Amino acid sequence: KNEVEQSPQNLTAQEGEFITINCSYSVGISALHWLQQHPGGGIVSLFMLSSGKKKHGRLIATINIQEKHSSLHITASHPRDSAVYICAGNRDDKIIFGKGTRLHILP
Amino acid sequence: NAGVTQTPKFQVLKTGQSMTLQCAQDMNHEYMSWYRQDPGMGLRLIHYSVGAGITDQGEVPNGYNVSRSTTEDFPLRLLSAAPSQTSVYFCASSYSILPDPKYFGPGTRLTVT
Repeated sequence: KNEVEQSPQNLTAQEGEFITINCSYSVGISALHWLQQHPGGGIVSLFMLSSGKKKHGRLIATINIQEKHSSLHITASHPRDSAVYICAGNRDDKIIFGKGTRLHILP
Repeated sequence: NAGVTQTPKFQVLKTGQSMTLQCAQDMNHEYMSWYRQDPGMGLRLIHYSVGAGITDQGEVPNGYNVSRSTTEDFPLRLLSAAPSQTSVYFCASSYSILPDPKYFGPGTRLTVT
């Protein structure tokens, strides 16, 4: 079992829908990251958080340390949000990645 | 700033050959790391460095060497390439000394035949 699990693995939605991607982890982590990888390969760091909630434009990331769970929300989704979203956690001096959620937003 | 640069973008090697993947950053970042990305496996940490002269192993270090003689450069060496090392390799850096993949390079697609 992967120490960082994401759900769903794949998600297709219509433009404008509210999107939620979930990340659960089974080990203690000191920080959690959300990354975005567009088709073609480029990876962008969206958030690093260790508690609470962060917002950047239409993206919101939350983390619940007690429940070992984080969510990434996208409001008013747009086709340009189509990408793979990756959750990762800092454990000791390592970083552990989830396998990613492939999001496809239809116009 | 050029950010994080990687060369080459694509490479084909024969089994047993050696090569070096180059990674450089011009942001004066302390932390640099190498990841490989395989279908169905996600990103996995190969080696990382928290500053010049300091390197450490990640999750999948076997078959790879790294060095960090300057803050800017963090090359990854494949000693004797194997088909299992066919992958996409990403270099990343951040100002923090914690593992924090904030800035990624564009990736190197390596095929070993």
